[in-house]
Amino acid sequence: KQEVTQIPAALSVPEGENLVLNCSFTDSAIYNLQWFRQDPGKGLTSLLLIQSSQREQTSGRLNASLDKSSGRSTLYIAASQPGDSATYLCAVSPNAGKSTFGDGTTLTVKP
Amino acid sequence: NAGVTQTPKFQVLKTGQSMTLQCAQDMNHNSMYWYRQDPGMGLRLIYYSASEGTTDKGEVPNGYNVSRLNKREFSLRLESAAPSQTSVYFCASSERAGSSAGNTIYFGEGSWLTVV
Repeated sequence: KQEVTQIPAALSVPEGENLVLNCSFTDSAIYNLQWFRQDPGKGLTSLLLIQSSQREQTSGRLNASLDKSSGRSTLYIAASQPGDSATYLCAVSPNAGKSTFGDGTTLTVKP
Repeated sequence: NAGVTQTPKFQVLKTGQSMTLQCAQDMNHNSMYWYRQDPGMGLRLIYYSASEGTTDKGEVPNGYNVSRLNKREFSLRLESAAPSQTSVYFCASSERAGSSAGNTIYFGEGSWLTVV
């Protein structure tokens, strides 16, 4: 059974700091990995999707990497802003659509 | 473009009552999903529909039924609600499940359900 772990569960940083969020998974047989953002009381919004054949994806200040062999992904946020405060979840997808989600890292960026 | 729309947003049920959560997507996606999110348990898949006319159980299907009414709509029914079903429910969709090319999953805003 696939297990996805995100450490730390919570992170607080001052504005402007670069930071890395971690995601690890136990079964490397994945088709893709996605990073999501969830604001309080809201649904999940996809930030980046990395296909199994890719090593990284970038969108603006966000960069996600994938190392399938070690079962790890990182989400790098550059020059963090208070608006980046949210919970960040990663999800891995095998075939047949049964994605497995981590519990998320709650990020607080202090002005 | 509305994306994924869920109704109702909030609902309080008494134990034993039944209700249906409605979900519709306007992105012409083939695959749709129902998740529940609980503190300390994360997001868990209840049921999914890889394509119109098909449904399959996820991780926690007991106490739920689903209907893929057409390509746009995927409903979740609680036949006899229990307090353990108090949760936030999310509907989601993607172009096609299991694609090796990868598919972004789009989520609705969530439905907060309390069973007393």
